[in-house]
Amino acid sequence: GEDVEQSLFLSVREGDSSVINCTYTDSSSTYLYWYKQEPGAGLQLLTYIFSNMDMKQDQRLTVLLNKKDKHLSLRIADTQTGDSAIYFCAEREENTGFQKLVFGTGTRLLVSP
Amino acid sequence: ETGVTQTPRHLVMGMTNKKSLKCEQHLGHNAMYWYKQSAKKPLELMFVYNFKEQTENNSVPSRFSPECPNSSHLFLHLHTLQPEDSALYLCGAQGNSAEAFFGQGTRLTVV
Repeated sequence: GEDVEQSLFLSVREGDSSVINCTYTDSSSTYLYWYKQEPGAGLQLLTYIFSNMDMKQDQRLTVLLNKKDKHLSLRIADTQTGDSAIYFCAEREENTGFQKLVFGTGTRLLVSP
Repeated sequence: ETGVTQTPRHLVMGMTNKKSLKCEQHLGHNAMYWYKQSAKKPLELMFVYNFKEQTENNSVPSRFSPECPNSSHLFLHLHTLQPEDSALYLCGAQGNSAEAFFGQGTRLTVV
């Protein structure tokens, strides 16, 4: 079945790097995503990676994908207090005629000054 | 700004009311979704529309009724809801590219 898991909580100091981990189960997923959700807001797409890549870097964000272990991570360099939020990973599943996103439970990142 | 707009942002309704949530996307994307986000639960997919056709109904109670009149608009009609239906309802849109965008959500409270 479909299942995406994340650790629930991560606390870091401002200026440190944050690493948020995710495991997924569907080996046929074509894309994997990271979203950020601030209090009272919707989902903000941060970045995504195609399943045949193993790394993608976008400014302070680095995504690593280990397809063999079905493990995805998001590294945030020089973490700022404004990065405090809930981070969701999601896998895109393809079905006949349509695709859908399956989300993890979210990791709450707390950045302290 | 994600290109996906949801209205209203907040809604309080009684269990006997009928209301509708609206989602509008200006991305030209062909797939639109309704997700439900409850406290302490993962995001739950409710409905998928692909080219205005409903392609998935994820065992959602009939008190939730979706409507997709055209490729830019998606509605969620609500009637005789229960307090446990209180949640954040998120609308998403995805095209043929990889990117999938979501609106700001409607915070629904059923009293």
